[in-house]
Amino acid sequence: SQTIHQWPATLVQPVGSPLSLECTVEGTSNPNLYWYRQAAGRGLQLLFYSVGIGQISSEVPQNLSASRPQDRQFILSSKKLLLSDSGFYLCAWSGAGGNQPQHFGDGTRLSIL
Amino acid sequence: GNSVTQMEGPVTLSEEAFLTINCTYTATGYPSLFWYVQYPGEGLQLLLKATKADDKGSNKGFEATYRKETTSFHLEKGSVQVSDSAVYFCALYWGAQKLVFGQGTRLTINP
Repeated sequence: SQTIHQWPATLVQPVGSPLSLECTVEGTSNPNLYWYRQAAGRGLQLLFYSVGIGQISSEVPQNLSASRPQDRQFILSSKKLLLSDSGFYLCAWSGAGGNQPQHFGDGTRLSIL
Repeated sequence: GNSVTQMEGPVTLSEEAFLTINCTYTATGYPSLFWYVQYPGEGLQLLLKATKADDKGSNKGFEATYRKETTSFHLEKGSVQVSDSAVYFCALYWGAQKLVFGQGTRLTINP
């Protein structure tokens, strides 16, 4: 069966520090991969998605970037974190070809001090 | 553009009450529709889905029917439990490999 792993579960970082969140998927090939942010008490904002290795689509201009160095690995990064980057970050995967449900990781709670 | 609108929360009910969470959508063509649930501190889990008009998705006692004439996909459950307390998201898929989510509805069930 397919599984998705996201880490770390929680992270506290100072303003201006770098960020790297990692997400890996097992049990499937060529998945679509997604990064979302969920601000406290609010809905989901799609940040990036990828349909293949090295293919990244950015949904909103921001302080973050994403990379997909391997088929089942998706990384969210920042060179210098801002206070506004605080939130709950969720990685998800779906089958290729569209119209597939997305399956989410357990999330990373990021607090910027 | 494509969008999803959910009833505003929070919703608070007593155990065994009947639940309805409204969801309406705007989309071109024939989107697929989903309900996701997020328990405290966790990621989202797919609850149910419907891919064409008049389809009924169901899971864990929850149901939702894809109504094209009213562009709705309301979530219902006949008798809620304390363990159903969570945030519920309605979503649609219209293409371009992406889902469009509603803003979420927080549900609290009191014993």
